[in-house]
Amino acid sequence: DAKTTQPTSMDCAEGRAANLPCNHSTISGNEYVYWYRQIHSQGPQYIIHGLKNNETNEMASLIITEDRKSSTLILPHATLRDTAVYYCIVRVASYGKLTFGQGTILTVHP
Amino acid sequence: DTEVTQTPKHLVMGMTNKKSLKCEQHMGHRAMYWYKQKAKKPPELMFVYSYEKLSINESVPSRFSPECPNSSLLNLHLHALQPEDSALYLCASSQLPGLADNEQFFGPGTRLTVL
Repeated sequence: DAKTTQPTSMDCAEGRAANLPCNHSTISGNEYVYWYRQIHSQGPQYIIHGLKNNETNEMASLIITEDRKSSTLILPHATLRDTAVYYCIVRVASYGKLTFGQGTILTVHP
Repeated sequence: DTEVTQTPKHLVMGMTNKKSLKCEQHMGHRAMYWYKQKAKKPPELMFVYSYEKLSINESVPSRFSPECPNSSLLNLHLHALQPEDSALYLCASSQLPGLADNEQFFGPGTRLTVL
């Protein structure tokens, strides 16, 4: 699986959009970008994934650059409950393995 | 039911004890996983089961013994563990490893302490 690079930590004000970047410059054509988050002492939670096109669901939006070498997870209106570690993972869908990097610690403050 | 349950939530064991962790899902998923997470580190894959058969073993020491008795249940048998095995053990499930829309659903984990 391709390696990802994320900032160690980010801050966001409550109610504002949180934009979490991820660099995956060695991504292959058949590799998907997945985002998970882990709130303190809980199991990871799936957020969203995509291959080429931008994706949106009830939790977030995923913007993938045209060359697919980077992506951004957008939480449109961050709340205090969004404080968590956010993991960007690149993997081939045909394999079950999720390889977690160090992730970004997002802190949402009032 | 979109939940993965794990029992127990906490476990303290000595190095000579034998214990088991249990994981259950009723989403009809045919792939199940064990991950290990040390403090302040990301989760690391240990095992993958696909259709109740072990498909991936990430070179895990034999003191960890997985078992998948049926499609809903996954066990992790522990024997002669070391203090460095203390960690959060996470179970996950997904429809199948080979599907594109294949998010993994994680349980809350078992916090294991080895004395």
